[in-house]
Amino acid sequence: AQSVTQPDIHITVSEGASLELRCNYSYGATPYLFWYVQSPGQGLQLLLKYFSGDTLVQGIKGFEAEFKRSQSSFNLRKPSVHWSDAAEYFCAVGGSIAGNMLTFGGGTRLMVKP
Amino acid sequence: DAGVIQSPRHEVTEMGQEVTLRCKPISGHDYLFWYRQTMMRGLELLIYFNNNVPIDDSGMPEDRFSAKMPNASFSTLKIQPSEPRDSAVYFCASSLRSDTQYFGPGTRLTVL
Repeated sequence: AQSVTQPDIHITVSEGASLELRCNYSYGATPYLFWYVQSPGQGLQLLLKYFSGDTLVQGIKGFEAEFKRSQSSFNLRKPSVHWSDAAEYFCAVGGSIAGNMLTFGGGTRLMVKP
Repeated sequence: DAGVIQSPRHEVTEMGQEVTLRCKPISGHDYLFWYRQTMMRGLELLIYFNNNVPIDDSGMPEDRFSAKMPNASFSTLKIQPSEPRDSAVYFCASSLRSDTQYFGPGTRLTVL
């Protein structure tokens, strides 16, 4: 069965500092990987996705993520965090053997200190 | 495109009442998903459709929950009778083939 683990429930960083959110997945084939962001009271917005090809993917709002097959990881990074990045971030995995179903991690809530 | 549209955005009802949540997917998308989000259980997939046909409803919690997709531009999730433990945010998402799922703004349901 597929699964996603986001080890950090909460993370606090200072504005301007770098950010890395961890995501580990379990999947029986080549995975499709996603990062979504959810602001309070809002739906989920796609930040970036990995289907194949270059293992370093660029997304919106200055985010990037790196797919590491050997570590079953897809960590999200941003070099300099802005106060508006405070939100909850979800990693998700899907792929061909699961039809089009996604499994989401439990989320990481990011707080940004001024 | 207007994105995925859900209505109502907020619903407050009393235990035992019927609740109907509505979703309009992005035009041209052939997959539609219903999710439930709670603090305790996170995001859970309830059911999904492909070309209006239910494919997997294993996430539907009980027989009190039902979902339909009468055409490509409309889906409903119904809870009858509703219970306080059904209180959650319900999201609808749509996608084209196996590509990215796009989420609606959600319906916050409170059952008193």
